[in-house]
Amino acid sequence: NAGVTQTPKFQVLKTGQSMTLQCAQDMNHEYMSWYRQDPGMGLRLIHYSVGAGITDQGEVPNGYNVSRSTTEDFPLRLLSAAPSQTSVYFCASIKPGSNEQFFGPGTRLTVL
Amino acid sequence: SQQGEEDPQALSIQEGENATMNCSYKTSINNLQWYRQNSGRGLVHLILIRSNEREKHSGRLRVTLDTSKKSSSLLITASRAADTASYFCATGWGWYTQGGKLIFGQGTELSVKP
Repeated sequence: NAGVTQTPKFQVLKTGQSMTLQCAQDMNHEYMSWYRQDPGMGLRLIHYSVGAGITDQGEVPNGYNVSRSTTEDFPLRLLSAAPSQTSVYFCASIKPGSNEQFFGPGTRLTVL
Repeated sequence: SQQGEEDPQALSIQEGENATMNCSYKTSINNLQWYRQNSGRGLVHLILIRSNEREKHSGRLRVTLDTSKKSSSLLITASRAADTASYFCATGWGWYTQGGKLIFGQGTELSVKP
């Protein structure tokens, strides 16, 4: 199993551009999450999903959209990138029956 | 706002010594987890303790939970240079139906010198 994969690993955007961060998992986990990690802030929950077709907002959802059309994929879309969205983004899936999360390797995003 | 606050923010010890990190939280939980993050990598789950448990062990890791004080500690015994990483506590509530609503602390940076 590849676990949780994320692409790209690095991305530089200009203010106002849009892009999609990809996340996929092959463990058949229903529950997936997106976090951003900023220095001194720990991880903050952006959006999460409890299954295909069902998503909900986390702590910092503004400026981000998600959808969940399949169990495997949970893409995160930045609608109009802003410098404040410069961060490292982590996708995670949750082991059924517990809250144990499996994290992807992250995407380092810089918005100029 | 962050649920968990960790103390200390940074810890430097020698190989073979024990490392203790603390986590305090604000609201009721039903589980608390600890994760490790090596530099430039994703987080790796270490241990989960439920709110009705007081202590849990996994190898060289020992976690305690005091729900009356809303605090937890992670003890790493006989530390090794490979334990150098950031350690995060994460508090959760709800189980299956609440899925990924974990709130992470800011982390403790542990440096273990050979």
